Amino acid sequence: DSGVTQTPKHLITATGQRVTLRCSPRSGDLSVYWYQQSLDQGLQFLIQYYNGEERAKGNILERFSAQQFPDLHSELNLSSLELGDSALYFCASSGVVNTEAFFGQGTRLTVV
Amino acid sequence: LAKTTQPISMDSYEGQEVNITCSHNNIATNDYITWYQQFPSQGPRFIIQGYKTKVTNEVASLFIPADRKSSTLSLPRVSLSDTAVYYCLVGDPSGSARQLTFGSGTQLTVLP
Repeated sequence: DSGVTQTPKHLITATGQRVTLRCSPRSGDLSVYWYQQSLDQGLQFLIQYYNGEERAKGNILERFSAQQFPDLHSELNLSSLELGDSALYFCASSGVVNTEAFFGQGTRLTVV
Repeated sequence: LAKTTQPISMDSYEGQEVNITCSHNNIATNDYITWYQQFPSQGPRFIIQGYKTKVTNEVASLFIPADRKSSTLSLPRVSLSDTAVYYCLVGDPSGSARQLTFGSGTQLTVLP
């Protein structure tokens, strides 16, 4: 158990809909990272938050947004969903001085 | 961000030592080299990290030459359960803003 909790584990929704994925980082970790992994694809970095503020941005679509709340949990919002958004979405957390990032078990999103 | 190059796949047999090399020609002074392991449908897991020379933990060893333009992950006596994708990452682990950028990884298949 990495200590990072992602909910839900599975999500099935229709095209055009909007979903929210939730991530609870390890206790004390201030950084949260979001990744997308499509079938047989690598891990695509989406965005990083540190203590509530956006700190780094990767290949995140405009239809996607994220935020980190005062209690440090984070949510990734995906809107106007398309079939191609079907993927595993991972959240990871790390401390400032820690060099290791801990990943959750992911949320598998299926858009039908 | 330093770009990394790894072999796409490798096969090995149980009990053998496996060495996976990663090239990172434009590594920066503050960059560390980190390796992660990922099983299907699971989040990546930290294996080892190093800056220079050799680092060893209970799972693996990491060899980094003086010019730091490459690194080699060494897995001693692999078993079937070591079949996974191995990612080499290069970046500055300190500070509050950093991207953990994963490349394509190396699919290691351990055969009986």
